[in-house]
This record gives sequence, C-alpha cells and structure tokens, in this order.
Amino acid sequence: GAVVSQHPSWVICKSGTSVKIECRSLDFQATTMFWYRQFPKQSLMLMATSNEGSKATYEQGVEKDKFLINHASLTLSTLTVTSAHPEDSSFYICSARGGGGKETQYFGPGTRLLVL
Amino acid sequence: GQNIDQPTEMTATEGAIVQINCTYQTSGFNGLFWYQQHAGEAPTFLSYNVLDGLEEKGRFSSFLSRSKGYSYLLLKELQMKDSASYLCAVMDSNYQLIWGAGTKLIIKP
Repeated sequence: GAVVSQHPSWVICKSGTSVKIECRSLDFQATTMFWYRQFPKQSLMLMATSNEGSKATYEQGVEKDKFLINHASLTLSTLTVTSAHPEDSSFYICSARGGGGKETQYFGPGTRLLVL
Repeated sequence: GQNIDQPTEMTATEGAIVQINCTYQTSGFNGLFWYQQHAGEAPTFLSYNVLDGLEEKGRFSSFLSRSKGYSYLLLKELQMKDSASYLCAVMDSNYQLIWGAGTKLIIKP
C-alpha cells in the first residue's frame, strides 16, 4: 500500500520556539494532505486540509497564523507550529490522499511534540 | 449535524469473536472506513465499504447498511496484538472524513 512518512517522530522544544514537521508521500502523488492532532485518549481532530499549490483550509478553532501549513509539492507538506506553548504538546499526524483513489487516506506515523 | 457513534470500550477473550458497531449520521456518504490504532501510533487502514454488504479480509470483516446508517467490524480468532482502538470514519459529500471517537478493545487471555 501507499506509504507516508513524517519527520521528526519526536520533538522536544522550549516554549516560544517554532517547530516544523514534514509529511511526505513516498510512492504516490498526494493531491490532498490532512493534518490531525490527537490528545491522549481522545480521537483524531482534523486541523486543516491542504491541496498542492493552494492555501490550506483550516477547521474552526484552529489558528492559521499559529499552525502554518505549506503544501509546495505533490509529495511534501509541512506544518510549522509557531511560538509553541506547553498546551500545543500533542501527537500530530498527517495523512495523504491520492495514491489509492479519491477515497483512501494513508497516515504517516505521527510526530509527538512536547513543549517544555 | 454530523455524528458518528461507537462504543467507548469493549473487552473480549483471546481466540473469541468480537463485533464493534458504528452508527452514523452525515451530510452525504462516500464510504465508511475502519482504522486500527495502537497506543502511541498512527491509525492504519483496515477496510473501506461503500456498498451494502459484508467485506471479508482475513480475520477481519466489515459490514455496511447505508439505509440504516450502520456498520460493524468483526474480528475473529482474537489475538493479544488486536488490543487497540478501532476508529470508524465516514467520508461525507465533500470527501472529508468524519471520525468517531474510537472503541478501545481490550483482549484478555
């Protein structure tokens, strides 16, 4: 099946710094990528949807100036958490659609962010 | 509004069979997905149903009834490694996934 990678898998940073997370589709072109956040023992929460070459669509309540998303190519999307604070500590997961048809989303392994 | 309901937690015995139900109300329907998520890991794709009926894939089967807004995931010959959360998700008319909260499945020896 289609493979999606994320980097880094773990990041610990100080409060106030910015963190960039990369999401790559390795063997297919991802026309659409999704960014999710998951807090412990909770379900996935969609943060934003990005289509290659256009601005991301953010879900209600997600600050677009704080969570910068760039989808510059069909295989790469990045999420930058700007001026991170402890409450941003979470499990960030990307998924990509385009390899298995319009329906199936393939998930990356996730990035665990801890802000001290 | 859009809503996906599934039980919060279920317990089953190794070697047995368990059925995890999911009911949904969404604006449009373009298929229903089941994902497995182990603690601390990202979800992995299990199944996709867009037509009514049963789809069998090894020890796992998924059933869909669009008229009833209902699906279930059936796990046979349970193994300890099947202990995980099982997420039901429906793709709406905009091809966006609407996620259930997940069912935590605990397998006991």
